[in-house]
Amino acid sequence: NAGVMQNPRHLVRRRGQEARLRCSPMKGHSHVYWYRQLPEEGLKFMVYLQKENIIDESGMPKERFSAEFPKEGPSILRIQQVVRGDSAAYFCASSPRLGPDYEQYFGPGTRLTVT
Amino acid sequence: DQQVKQNSPSLSVQEGRISILNCDYTNSMFDYFLWYKKYPAEGPTFLISISSIKDKNEDGRFTVFLNKSAKHLSLHIVPSQPGDSAVYFCASPNNRDDKIIFGKGTRLHILP
Repeated sequence: NAGVMQNPRHLVRRRGQEARLRCSPMKGHSHVYWYRQLPEEGLKFMVYLQKENIIDESGMPKERFSAEFPKEGPSILRIQQVVRGDSAAYFCASSPRLGPDYEQYFGPGTRLTVT
Repeated sequence: DQQVKQNSPSLSVQEGRISILNCDYTNSMFDYFLWYKKYPAEGPTFLISISSIKDKNEDGRFTVFLNKSAKHLSLHIVPSQPGDSAVYFCASPNNRDDKIIFGKGTRLHILP
């Protein structure tokens, strides 16, 4: 039973380019979350998606960032016109359901470096 | 506005002794808490949780204590082992609806 998969693991982009980060949730999980970890910081929530729906994007910067979780295929976090401040580790997590004892299972992360 | 606070960025403990990691929270609506462990270049992995209806939850070498009146929880690891060296995040779901609010983490070093 494969865990949450993210690719690429490392991504280098020049300022102004686009970055696409992919996340495949665990089998049977329909809830996907994206978090960002800046150096020396904890993980900060960005967006919560279910299939074809954005449920909560309160942690997403208003510009240049978008996320989707299509009916088929992985969830995509897209960053347009990247800047140096976007350099961070981006983690995807998935969970099977909401409820009193839910847990989120994290992928290995994508480390984005903007040069 | 940090709702979950881990005030010790790092902690060093001798192998075999007890490790105690602390966490404070400000939101009295939080009623479920999680600890995650993270190794370098890996994602966080769930370690242990506690609901606010309890004040203690134990799983093997790991015990989490919750003091609701003080809005404080702690993770005890005993005995500490070299493989416990990692960053530990205290976290709470935001009213269990979606996002998890994380602390900044405490880096635990287990000394031989």
